[in-house]
Amino acid sequence: NAGVTQTPKFQVLKTGQSMTLQCAQDMNHEYMSWYRQDPGMGLRLIHYSVGAGITDQGEVPNGYNVSRSTTEDFPLRLLSAAPSQTSVYFCASSYGRGIFSYEQYFGPGTRLTVT
Amino acid sequence: DAKTTQPNSMESNEEEPVHLPCNHSTISGTDYIHWYRQLPSQGPEYVIHGLTSNVNNRMASLAIAEDRKSSTLILHRATLRDAAVYYCILRDVRTNAGKSTFGDGTTLTVKP
Repeated sequence: NAGVTQTPKFQVLKTGQSMTLQCAQDMNHEYMSWYRQDPGMGLRLIHYSVGAGITDQGEVPNGYNVSRSTTEDFPLRLLSAAPSQTSVYFCASSYGRGIFSYEQYFGPGTRLTVT
Repeated sequence: DAKTTQPNSMESNEEEPVHLPCNHSTISGTDYIHWYRQLPSQGPEYVIHGLTSNVNNRMASLAIAEDRKSSTLILHRATLRDAAVYYCILRDVRTNAGKSTFGDGTTLTVKP
């Protein structure tokens, strides 16, 4: 299994540009999430999905859109990039709810700089 | 999910045990205690979790206070590879891990 993969690893955008961060998992996990991590800080939840076709907002959803058309993929779209969105973005996946969903698997991250 | 409090940083010597504390005074009966760690330039990885009883696995041990208002992650013999940020998280068993809230964690430095 490749686990959770993210592309690209690095990206530089100009203010106002849009782009999509890709995330895929091959573990047939129901749940997928996007987090951002600013320098020296913990992770903050942007959006999450409980299954194909179902998404919901986390703590910091403004400026980001998500969709989940398949179990495997969960792309994150930046609509109009701003310098405040400079961060490292992590995608994660996990099994369904309850006692079997204790572990999240994280991707390697995408380092985004907005100038 | 209820909030946790961890020290910002801790230091340890290589090959000595490390005790990383976490306070969670507002924990509810359905909250599990989870620990993750984040090595430099990597995504977080799961370490251990528990509900009431102490837990052991190949990576670490988790000691949970009798009133569940605090817990301690124990690394029995720290190595240089254990230098990381350690996150203590509470998660209601009725919700999925995908909604976990990560605080700022404890940065562990291991000295040779």
